[in-house]
Formats: sequence, structure tokens, C-alpha cells
Amino acid sequence: EAQVTQNPRYLITVTGKKLTVTCSQNMNHEYMSWYRQDPGLGLRQIYYSMNVEVTDKGDVPEGYKVSRKEKRNFPLILESPSPNQTSLYFCASSPWTGFGELFFGEGSRLTVL
Amino acid sequence: AQTVTQSQPEMSVQEAETVTLSCTYDTSESDYYLFWYKQPPSRQMILVIRQEAYKQQNATENRFSVNFQKAAKSFSLKISDSQLGDAAMYFCAYRYNNNDMRFGAGTRLTVKP
Repeated sequence: EAQVTQNPRYLITVTGKKLTVTCSQNMNHEYMSWYRQDPGLGLRQIYYSMNVEVTDKGDVPEGYKVSRKEKRNFPLILESPSPNQTSLYFCASSPWTGFGELFFGEGSRLTVL
Repeated sequence: AQTVTQSQPEMSVQEAETVTLSCTYDTSESDYYLFWYKQPPSRQMILVIRQEAYKQQNATENRFSVNFQKAAKSFSLKISDSQLGDAAMYFCAYRYNNNDMRFGAGTRLTVKP
């Protein structure tokens, strides 16, 4: 089954404790991206990657890191989480050509205390 | 930067009735994609319908149709014969040339039995 898989789905952590949210897609998509969803703001892009070893900042990259060492994986790293990073996070992917649709993971609810 | 505006934070519709969700966007591009995504309580982002800007014909998917007014930069979603399962948050989105997908703030749709 074609899918984007994120883990963990739920996480409660404390300020300053490093964490990683994994993202993997099995559709051989070149493009991958991370979004955060906050009430009243919709989804905002954190980082994106157009291919292996190519990453770039989105609108809200502060406090986050990413890497793209393999085509299928695109982990999101919070080196020192803060309460303002409490949010719902989505990983998404798409092929380089096609109708432009993004395929989303199921979301990861992160709470930073 | 391209922006997407959904002016209706909440909408309500009676079961079996029709409802229209509004969306406007700002862009200087001539060819781009527009989307409506549905987010039910499960949080999954589900593609409802897509429209390519160069196509004049409005897209239709079963009970869902759009009114695409390119000159006015308007992209509304009409849901006919509303069902209880249509209750969700709906996001309008814009994407140009496989770059960042821009989202509106969302419209929460309630369906009354």
C-alpha cells in the first residue's frame, strides 16, 4: 500500500530533550516536506527536500533540523524543544511530475511541557 | 509570497442540503494547482478535489464540485447532498510548479442531522 508513515503519532516531552520524528514514504517520491498545523494558521511549511541531500527552509524553520540521506526517509529533528513547538506535525511527499498533490502522513501530535 | 484566504472559520449545513466553502488566493503565476483537503477528526489529510489553473472546466468529484474563477482568484467548494461524514475541517491549498503548497487557515464544517 502506498503510504507516508510517521512516528511517533503522539509524544509528550519536556523542554530541552532532543527528539526525532521519523517519516518514510514507499512511493519513490522525490519531494518531501514537513508542515506544522496550528489553530487558525492552517499548515505552515517547516522544511522541504527536492531530492537526496537537498533540503531547504520553509516558512517556520527555527528550532528544527532535517536530513535527507535516503530518498524514502526525511526525519524532523528538534534539538532543544520548547513549548512553542507544541503542535500537530505532518510529513508529506509528492513526485516531481504529476498533478501536484501532496500525500500526507497521519500526523504526529507533539506536546512540549 | 502566495497567500490563501478562507474567510469562513466555521460553517454549518443541514444533512442533505448544499453548502459552499469560500477560498481566495493571491498569485502572479498563470499556471498552478488548487486543492481542497478534508481533515476529519482522525486528523488524516484527505484530498477532496484538485483543479489545474489552465483548465477552464470546473473539477467535479461525485458530490463535490468547485467554482474556479481564475480572474477573480477564487476557488470555492460546493458540497451537495451533505452527509454526516462530511463533517470535518476543510483546507484550501495552492501549489505552483511542485514547490511549497500554501494552505488557508481552514473552515470547520458541521453537518446537522
